[in-house]
Amino acid sequence: QVHLMESGGGLVKPGGSLRLSCAASGFTFSDYYMAWIRQAPGKGLEWVSYISGTSSYINYADSVRGRFTISRDNAKNSLYLQMDSLRTEDTAVYYCVRDSTPTAYADHWGQGTLVTVSS
Amino acid sequence: IQMTQSPSSVSASVGDRVTITCRASQVISIWLAWYQQKPGKAPKLLVSAASTLQSGVPSRFSGSGSGTDFTLTISGLQPEDFATYYCQQANSFPFTFGPGTKVDL
Repeated sequence: QVHLMESGGGLVKPGGSLRLSCAASGFTFSDYYMAWIRQAPGKGLEWVSYISGTSSYINYADSVRGRFTISRDNAKNSLYLQMDSLRTEDTAVYYCVRDSTPTAYADHWGQGTLVTVSS
Repeated sequence: IQMTQSPSSVSASVGDRVTITCRASQVISIWLAWYQQKPGKAPKLLVSAASTLQSGVPSRFSGSGSGTDFTLTISGLQPEDFATYYCQQANSFPFTFGPGTKVDL
């Protein structure tokens, strides 16, 4: 069955960097768009970034464009999110999700990894 | 595209029929999903394309609507249905979510 496992979260100071990873299994990884969705504590959901199976299409929410970089390694069945210039408002649980390609529904989710940006 | 939901919370009892409404700020055809989230857990996709129930989702859940107005109905609320429900538009990036509707006892 589909399994997504995030890692790399933690505590970082404002202005710092962090790299999240997601290990995928149970499906043909390269066939699917993948995404990162985040949820601030006690708040709603925000679709952060999106990448196609071949990495030819990438998009970002305005709130993170220019600071975050999404990437993938199909040989390793892995998705990444490089987060630079972190702000306190980036504090959230970050979920790795599989997109129900070709439609943009998050049909499988990881358990999430908490990123806390605080001095 | 802005998504709104009503109500923001609803108190209900086991066996009740609950209806949650989602509205998009522009026409999104049927490109809408509903998710269920329980405390401390990741959301779960319940309905896609406005009315297509995901495999394994009980038939007491149903979705309807098109254009800008959508509903999620739970017919015969069960104890495991107490959760927060989110709608999400899949028409254009950024794919935005509604603020959520909490269904509690």
